[in-house]
Amino acid sequence: RKEVEQDPGPFNVPEGATVAFNCTYSNSASQSFFWYRQDCRKEPKLLMSVYSSGNEDGRFTAQLNRASQYISLLIRDSKLSDSATYLCAVMGGSYIPTFGRGTSLIVHP
Amino acid sequence: DAGVIQSPRHEVTEMGQEVTLRCKPISGHNSLFWYRQTMMRGLELLIYFNNNVPIDDSGMPEDRFSAKMPNASFSTLKIQPSEPRDSAVYFCASSRDAAYEQYFGPGTRLTVT
Repeated sequence: RKEVEQDPGPFNVPEGATVAFNCTYSNSASQSFFWYRQDCRKEPKLLMSVYSSGNEDGRFTAQLNRASQYISLLIRDSKLSDSATYLCAVMGGSYIPTFGRGTSLIVHP
Repeated sequence: DAGVIQSPRHEVTEMGQEVTLRCKPISGHNSLFWYRQTMMRGLELLIYFNNNVPIDDSGMPEDRFSAKMPNASFSTLKIQPSEPRDSAVYFCASSRDAAYEQYFGPGTRLTVT
């Protein structure tokens, strides 16, 4: 089993839709979790950290499920500008981050 | 504030040549990471520095790769000799401490012919 796994997609959704991505991790000792957004030919940019209690930033909600070892990202009211690849990052006690391969999102008119 | 700065942004070189990539982390950040990204393998961590000291270099592919961080504001990744399979985008990232979120530079797109 890979350390961090994501469905590569693409997820193809209309504007205004709600879409959710999951990211599973294998190391139960993982402590820090993040979602990054990467546009084509650009660097990954931090979207949000994922806290144990879950957190929300506008249209974006991130949650952590330690029992099932996954994190999720929910995007409400999708915009065309949300089209990108979404990478999850998982960090264990050694502070060595592992990134997923990313999930591609395409929002169409 | 300036973000992570990398140079060059693009590098095209011939097989066998030495390549040096440069990175300036965000001021005040004490952790620095070098990554390589390809379509086949995704984003791979090569090496991680904390307070200028290499902590984990297990991701460095082989002896042809070396990285240094002589001070808190500068790091280099060197490939000597370069090979076509080294073609990738190389990212540098920094964080205020190892456990915190990372901020990526714009990357260096390396092509080895």
